[in-house]
Amino acid sequence: KAGVTQTPRYLIKTRGQQVTLSCSPISGHRSVSWYQQTPGQGLQFLFEYFSETQRNKGNFPGRFSGRQFSNSRSEMNVSTLELGDSALYLCASSQGEGWNTQYFGPGTRLTVL
Amino acid sequence: AQSVTQLGSHVSVSEGALVLLRCNYSSSVPPYLFWYVQYPNQGLQLLLKYTSAATLVKGINGFEAEFKKSETSFHLTKPSAHMSDAAEYFCAVSENSGGYQKVTFGTGTKLQVIP
Repeated sequence: KAGVTQTPRYLIKTRGQQVTLSCSPISGHRSVSWYQQTPGQGLQFLFEYFSETQRNKGNFPGRFSGRQFSNSRSEMNVSTLELGDSALYLCASSQGEGWNTQYFGPGTRLTVL
Repeated sequence: AQSVTQLGSHVSVSEGALVLLRCNYSSSVPPYLFWYVQYPNQGLQLLLKYTSAATLVKGINGFEAEFKKSETSFHLTKPSAHMSDAAEYFCAVSENSGGYQKVTFGTGTKLQVIP
């Protein structure tokens, strides 16, 4: 099976712009979670989608949003970018029901100038 | 609420020496526990997981971890460090919350291997 894929791998934006990141989960996985990783804050949970519904949400402002499509692919959007949004954004997929393991993609490195 | 504590944000060992990375957790229910490894500019890769079967769990690359309920610990060990083990390691706890699992990660431990 192909692993979790994320596009793009690298992105450079300026303050005030918006950005959309994409994640394709492992085939058959219905849950997609998003994390922000920074040197200062570590791994922080953004949100999780399961069967096109947001099931769980972390403590991030409303500028961070996401969605999931019927094929389980997910997108994450950040509007009005701030310098502090520079981070590695990781996507993880899992089967989503019962006990299961999260499998991570390689991440998207976002730099905000 | 569940939480994970990784003691030591940086650990240095000599090549060939024992690797010990500490993880303590708190959970109100029997948890599932994971160790992940992250190499620079890459995502997290699963090393091993504890799912309430054997308390000693063997993972990839020669790593293993022991679940000790009385100590609420899940320390990661490897008998002999290799240069390729230099990376950041994350402990994670997962418990059932409202019908689905909620995963909490520790802050990570960077392992340096000295030749």
